[in-house]
Amino acid sequence: GIQVEQSPPDLILQEGANSTLRCNFSDSVNNLQWFHQNPWGQLINLFYIPSGTKQNGRLSATTVATERYSLLYISSSQTTDSGVYFCAVVKRGSGGYQKVTFGTGTKLQVIP
Amino acid sequence: EPEVTQTPSHQVTQMGQEVILRCVPISNHLYFYWYRQILGQKVEFLVSFYNNEISEKSEIFDDQFSVERPDGSNFTLKIRSTKLEDSAMYFCASRMTGGANEQFFGPGTRLTVL
Repeated sequence: GIQVEQSPPDLILQEGANSTLRCNFSDSVNNLQWFHQNPWGQLINLFYIPSGTKQNGRLSATTVATERYSLLYISSSQTTDSGVYFCAVVKRGSGGYQKVTFGTGTKLQVIP
Repeated sequence: EPEVTQTPSHQVTQMGQEVILRCVPISNHLYFYWYRQILGQKVEFLVSFYNNEISEKSEIFDDQFSVERPDGSNFTLKIRSTKLEDSAMYFCASRMTGGANEQFFGPGTRLTVL
């Protein structure tokens, strides 16, 4: 099956700093999602981004599907950004079905 | 904004007991999914469901698991005889038609098997 690796696995930031999280995948995909898992375990949709760049406030994401990677940028980080960030790739199968494979995650801790 | 809901938020059960985890997908969605996340690990696909039948399942989804859409709104995951290693967070997700549409995830049910 498709492999999805994220880096770095762990990241500690001072509040206000910027960071870039990376997601590499081993095969072509139809789409890609970024999630933030908060300390309560909830998965929050951040971006649904097959290619190109999207921005939402202090967060932005870029996917280069031809080179099989995606980047998540966090600017001016806040303590509420702490948690685990997952990318998940979407592979379409026959009959409209799709399979989602999650990455290994990046655990982010933002300290005041 | 419509969202996927799950109940209960936390379930504690004894080993060997049956549990049913419930999900209410977004109302106009047609594809439904269950995922599992063991503490500290990544989220793993369990099963997908469309048109009242399983469309795909992973190796994890063995005979002790079953899914059902008993009415027009609920989507359930049943674990027949729970084991200690079933302790995990279980997420339900749903999406509209089309091959690459975004999946929307519920808040999860934390299952603890004692």
